[in-house]
Amino acid sequence: QSVLTQPPSTSGTPGQRITISCSGSSSNIGSNDAYWYQQFPGTAPKLLIYRSNRRPSGVPDRFSGSKSGTSASLAISGLRSEDEADYYCAAWDDRLRGWLFGGATKLTVL
Amino acid sequence: EVQLVESGGGLVQPGGSLRLSCTASEFILSSSAMTWVRQAPGKGLEWVSSLSRDGANTYYADSVKGRFIISRDNSKKIVYLQMNSLRAEDTALYYCANSPNSVTGSNYWGQGTLVTVSS
Repeated sequence: QSVLTQPPSTSGTPGQRITISCSGSSSNIGSNDAYWYQQFPGTAPKLLIYRSNRRPSGVPDRFSGSKSGTSASLAISGLRSEDEADYYCAAWDDRLRGWLFGGATKLTVL
Repeated sequence: EVQLVESGGGLVQPGGSLRLSCTASEFILSSSAMTWVRQAPGKGLEWVSSLSRDGANTYYADSVKGRFIISRDNSKKIVYLQMNSLRAEDTALYYCANSPNSVTGSNYWGQGTLVTVSS
């Protein structure tokens, strides 16, 4: 059972803006950065957001991240069919002294 | 081209051992902490173990602590994951990745190597 809690699924229509939440605690998101990964079936995860709100080079600015208290969010604007994938949040946990991943959020583009 | 290539997976009986290898570009290994992440069939990502850039600090998930050992050989540009006392629940695709660069976010993953623990 993940200590970082994400909704198991979400959906949206093309062009829409959606957000995916990631709820943690004081020992992880509350005191450390959040990271967001995108994973397509049969492929390795790809980093979308690091240090809670920064995008690596090559990640479209349609993807944005934010953090408030012990929660983090990933927003995808201008939704496209190719965004349909699994999304994971991650954070270092000071108490466990290890990384935590949230359970996947499956995004469906209707 | 930046690459991480895992190898060493396979079928092993419960209680057995395997050693996974992750061959990395030199600049990744010298500049990054390294991590193993696994994904059981149809399941989510699970962090397994991390090794600091200088190799001095190791970290393990509770589920593998005392059974797995992470190490690196910079001269060979390889990160290892020695897996002992394997259990059925260790069955997964094991990925090697570097920790995201704090400035650029550069983050590389291998294609994964499949470990199946079954009698």
